[in-house]
Amino acid sequence: DAGVIQSPRHEVTEMGQEVTLRCKPISGHNSLFWYRQTMMRGLELLIYFNNNVPIDDSGMPEDRFSAKMPNASFSTLKIQPSEPRDSAVYFCASSFLQYGYGYTFGSGTRLTVV
Amino acid sequence: GQQVMQIPQYQHVQEGEDFTTYCNSSTTLSNIQWYKQRPGGHPVFLIQLVKSGEVKKQKRLTFQFGEAKKNSSLHITATQTTDVGTYFCAGRDNQFYFGTGTSLTVIP
Repeated sequence: DAGVIQSPRHEVTEMGQEVTLRCKPISGHNSLFWYRQTMMRGLELLIYFNNNVPIDDSGMPEDRFSAKMPNASFSTLKIQPSEPRDSAVYFCASSFLQYGYGYTFGSGTRLTVV
Repeated sequence: GQQVMQIPQYQHVQEGEDFTTYCNSSTTLSNIQWYKQRPGGHPVFLIQLVKSGEVKKQKRLTFQFGEAKKNSSLHITATQTTDVGTYFCAGRDNQFYFGTGTSLTVIP
């Protein structure tokens, strides 16, 4: 298995633009998580899905952020409009949550909003 | 809400010295996991502890889960430069709450 695949690896965009981050979880995993990591705030859970259904989106900072999981093999995190304070590394992770497996993280997307 | 704190935040050690990071939760955890993140990398799962008082070893790493299941520790014996990175604990409630992390620097 190629692991959790995220794209793009790096994204530089201007303030106000729409940004879409993509994630392909490990085949067979039933849970998917989006995290944001910054020096100031560490690893923050934004949203997680179980069996493609959003379970907890309380970590989504504001309405500018939205996430979808249209099927078991794909998820997107969208920021519209983007702001400089959204600059961070965004990680996607997947797991067999119900079995207490560890999370497998993707390599992350480093987002810079200028 | 769930809070998982780690201490210390940073640790510098000479190569060969031991290292310990501590993880404390405000609530009782059903289990706890540990992750390592190398500089510029992503978190990588190391281990999971489930039972009260459980101790597990991986070569030079020793993981312990407290009796009350509210704290945990990771101890590295005789650190090597390959141990450099940030170590996170993640405590399970309905989901995993990541701790604040301990950044380890090993001085050759």
